[in-house]
Amino acid sequence: GEDVEQSLFLSVREGDSSVINCTYTDSSSTYLYWYKQEPGAGLQLLTYIFSNMDMKQDQRLTVLLNKKDKHLSLRIADTQTGDSAIYFCAESEHNQGGKLIFGQGTELSVKP
Amino acid sequence: DAGVTQSPTHLIKTRGQQVTLRCSPKSGHDTVSWYQQALGQGPQFIFQYYEEEERQRGNFPDRFSGHQFPNYSSELNVNALLLGDSALYLCASSRWRGYGYTFGSGTRLTVV
Repeated sequence: GEDVEQSLFLSVREGDSSVINCTYTDSSSTYLYWYKQEPGAGLQLLTYIFSNMDMKQDQRLTVLLNKKDKHLSLRIADTQTGDSAIYFCAESEHNQGGKLIFGQGTELSVKP
Repeated sequence: DAGVTQSPTHLIKTRGQQVTLRCSPKSGHDTVSWYQQALGQGPQFIFQYYEEEERQRGNFPDRFSGHQFPNYSSELNVNALLLGDSALYLCASSRWRGYGYTFGSGTRLTVV
């Protein structure tokens, strides 16, 4: 069945790079997403990648997709204390506009 | 341009009661999806509405029902509330068959 898995915690020092990893099972997923959730808030879309791409860069964010291994990663360069939050990986069903399937989230803690 | 608006932000209900949550989609979006996020978990898909019809449904009992209005806004109704229904309920809007989902800040439901 469909499943998305993430490690639960990551702790880094301010200024370092953070890498958050995700694996998914649905090989027909067309879009993969990274969302950020701050305490008590909804989900903020950070970036997304089409399944026919290997990499996407957007300012401090770099997404890498290994479709063969069904592995997605989010790299945050020069991590700041304001980046502390929970990060969710999500895949969409093979049809556009389909439901999103989320991982359980990775809590990123950035220490000064 | 207003994003997705959800109301109320918080509410407390008693077991066995019924609740209605509301969502106004982002301007230009015609599709509304609802997600349940239990504490410490990723969001779980409940259902999706387009053209006032339920288009997809996740693994939730019939106690969960919804509605979409001609102006694209939507309601989520939950009957016979259980303690386990306590969660953050998130609404996401998009264009039909689109890949850009915008989430609201959610409604925090506590069942006592």
